[in-house]
Amino acid sequence: EAGVAQSPRYKIIEKRQSVAFWCNPISGHATLYWYQQILGQGPKLLIQFQNNGVVDDSQLPKDRFSAERLKGVDSTLKIQPAKLEDSAVYLCASSTTRTRSEQYFGPGTRLTVT
Amino acid sequence: AQTVTQSQPEMSVQEAETVTLSCTYDTSESDYYLFWYKQPPSRQMILVIRQEAYKQQNATENRFSVNFQKAAKSFSLKISDSQLGDAAMYFCALDGAGTASKLTFGTGTRLQVTL
Repeated sequence: EAGVAQSPRYKIIEKRQSVAFWCNPISGHATLYWYQQILGQGPKLLIQFQNNGVVDDSQLPKDRFSAERLKGVDSTLKIQPAKLEDSAVYLCASSTTRTRSEQYFGPGTRLTVT
Repeated sequence: AQTVTQSQPEMSVQEAETVTLSCTYDTSESDYYLFWYKQPPSRQMILVIRQEAYKQQNATENRFSVNFQKAAKSFSLKISDSQLGDAAMYFCALDGAGTASKLTFGTGTRLQVTL
């Protein structure tokens, strides 16, 4: 069974530029999560999708971050414009059901904003 | 709000020895799950062990076991017969957000395994 795929693995941009990350969850997983992991901290949930609907985006900085999950499969997370404090690893995870099930994580995208 | 605290930024253990990683948490939910996740240097996070709060019996997965003290809101991870491959960041996480599954992670403990 293929795992959660993410791309790119690394990205370096200048502040005020835009960037997009892509995630392909495990086949059949209805729930998809985007986390932000700043160096030295645990992952923080940015947004959670159930199929193609948003379940929780309470911690997503909506003035600069956006995410979509068209057709309930792949997802894209965008930052526009980027700030220095957005430097982090962005993790995508998926799970089979919405409540209490194991989340499977992708390898992450390391973003550096200069 | 739910919080997870890991007070040990780094731990070290010799190969074949036993080590215990600490975690405390806070939630107002009565029904919740606790997890330990492992994040090796390659960054792919994997689940180590899971504990349902309603179960009194401590979860065990091979060399990994937990000590779940519900009243004290404590959830420690014990690794027996430590191996070099156990070296990683370990995150304690709580899922207690009602019907919407939402993980809250601690800040992690970096485990070093020495020969």
